[in-house]
Amino acid sequence: GQQLNQSPQSMFIQEGEDVSMNCTSSSIFNTWLWYKQDPGEGPVLLIALYKAGELTSNGRLTAQFGITRKDSFLNISASIPSDVGIYFCAGQYGNKLVFGAGTILRVKS
Amino acid sequence: DGGITQSPKYLFRKEGQNVTLSCEQNLNHDAMYWYRQDPGQGLRLIYYSQIVNDFQKGDIAEGYSVSREKKESFPLTVTSAQKNPTAFYLCASSMEQGKSTNEKLFFGSGTQLSVL
Repeated sequence: GQQLNQSPQSMFIQEGEDVSMNCTSSSIFNTWLWYKQDPGEGPVLLIALYKAGELTSNGRLTAQFGITRKDSFLNISASIPSDVGIYFCAGQYGNKLVFGAGTILRVKS
Repeated sequence: DGGITQSPKYLFRKEGQNVTLSCEQNLNHDAMYWYRQDPGQGLRLIYYSQIVNDFQKGDIAEGYSVSREKKESFPLTVTSAQKNPTAFYLCASSMEQGKSTNEKLFFGSGTQLSVL
């Protein structure tokens, strides 16, 4: 089945730093999504990408749909303590979503 | 406020016991989903339903059962056949449009199931 490789698995960064994470696959996806999950809560959609090459921002977050349709990345600029959590990528094919394993972000103030 | 409500937040299961996790949504969404989350893994689809009185198995349906008698409700039963039920269970819903666009999933706050 479809699989997503999300990296890094975890990050521990200083407040104010920029953060990058990405997802890659050997399969093509029609849609890429990025979610954030706070501890003990459900994931919340951050950004949705629908076209190859698309670059979309949501506040300090920027995500891109890879031109090959097999990857996507998420950048967070000037991280703050409330950015902590688990970030998931998800790729859609047909009527199914496949989720990456998540990137755990810890911010040191 | 519209949203998805999961209950209980924490649930404990004894050996050989069936337990049911509740999921209710007031978003008027057609589609509902159950995912299982284990530490260090992505979300895995257990069951989904695109319409009342119909549901489909996901990738890891064995040991689970669901029903969809009402649009608003999609309860998940973890049966005794599920030998490793300890996990965080997430319910989600989406508005199905046309053929299949479920990307805007709205998630509940989850239920943590543990085995006694």
